[in-house]
Amino acid sequence: DAGVIQSPRHEVTEMGQEVTLRCKPISGHNSLFWYRQTMMRGLELLIYFNNNVPIDDSGMPEDRFSAKMPNASFSTLKIQPSEPRDSAVYFCASRSVAGGSYNEQFFGPGTRLTVL
Amino acid sequence: SQKIEQNSEALNIQEGKTATLTCNYTNYSPAYLQWYRQDPGRGPVFLLLIRENEKEKRKERLKVTFDTTLKQSLFHITASQPADSATYLCALLNGGSQGNLIFGKGTKLSVKP
Repeated sequence: DAGVIQSPRHEVTEMGQEVTLRCKPISGHNSLFWYRQTMMRGLELLIYFNNNVPIDDSGMPEDRFSAKMPNASFSTLKIQPSEPRDSAVYFCASRSVAGGSYNEQFFGPGTRLTVL
Repeated sequence: SQKIEQNSEALNIQEGKTATLTCNYTNYSPAYLQWYRQDPGRGPVFLLLIRENEKEKRKERLKVTFDTTLKQSLFHITASQPADSATYLCALLNGGSQGNLIFGKGTKLSVKP
């Protein structure tokens, strides 16, 4: 299994541009999580999905952020328009729901976003 | 408000010693707690889970304790090695069986040879 796949690994963009981050969860996992990590705030949950349905998006900082999961094997996180304070590492993680939330989360390698 | 604190941002120890990392939480009653390891430039990797009715869990050189009265978990690495150098994150379950994890900010462990 290739694990959780994220693309791109690095993204440098200018303020005001649209940014789309992509995630492919582990096959058979039906929970998917988007996190943002910064030195100041640590690892913060942005949104998570169970069976492709958004369950909790209270961590999404503002309307500029949106996430979709059109099917069990793909999710996107979009920032439009981007701002310098959005610069961070964005992680996607997936989890098998069989057995409940006791199961571990598997993290992707992250996307390092820099907004100039 | 709910809060998770890991005792220090950084911990430096000598090879062969036992490293002890602390995770404290307030205003939670988590059913379990997980510990993850994160290496630079990589995503966190799961290490151990301990449930609220378990006092202690072991895995090779790792030991985790969970005291729901003190609202504290301790994470020990015995006979530490330079390869153990990494950031260690504790995480609590938020919500029910389909819930998510709330992570601490982590403790960066450095093991010197």
